[in-house]
Amino acid sequence: QQQVKQSPQSLIVQKGGISIINCAYENTAFDYFPWYQQFPGKGPALLIAIRPDVSEKKEGRFTISFNKSAKQFSLHIMDSQPGDSATYFCAAKGRAGYSSASKIIFGSGTRLSIRP
Amino acid sequence: DVKVTQSSRYLVKRTGEKVFLECVQDMDHENMFWYRQDPGLGLRLIYFSYDVKMKEKGDIPEGYSVSREKKERFSLILESASTNQTSMYLCASSSAGPRTGELFFGEGSRLTVL
Repeated sequence: QQQVKQSPQSLIVQKGGISIINCAYENTAFDYFPWYQQFPGKGPALLIAIRPDVSEKKEGRFTISFNKSAKQFSLHIMDSQPGDSATYFCAAKGRAGYSSASKIIFGSGTRLSIRP
Repeated sequence: DVKVTQSSRYLVKRTGEKVFLECVQDMDHENMFWYRQDPGLGLRLIYFSYDVKMKEKGDIPEGYSVSREKKERFSLILESASTNQTSMYLCASSSAGPRTGELFFGEGSRLTVL
């Protein structure tokens, strides 16, 4: 019942390069799309998020691009650094007003390694 | 500093045992969640709660139950543990309203069922 599909499963990028992780969702009853970052031995932490009424959101080196018609969104990490090496999860939250408004489901994760 | 605390980082149990995983948050959040994390499968939602004594099934509730008697505490119960429930369990919380999707996670409880 995977409603959010994430790719790639793993990614290796050279320091200074651009890391790109993609997600696609399968229904339209979502109204919030966050990305989470997880380091080994820790719980995931919110990195950046977007609502479907905008096509792009940028915070520092991290950018979300959102394509509502294609039901796809992606995370771009510019000037990737070794400290960005972590597992990244995309997610989607149920739309307000629906019974599942508080429900948040996740993609399968991408293990990112930045080579120095 | 805001915090979600899970009672046990590591547990080893035997098949058929009853297992309790406890989670406490200090942020006065309305919503609380239990996920399990398995390699290649990401985080899968087991149960969530949007209010005291309220609960909703997630995507994989079979074999699990939950309890929320107080706002700050959300417990996950495995009535009869099985080996396929060996996993990392993550508790999270969020506020109601526009920031519902901003989850705060605990550090996880790694359960091994022998």
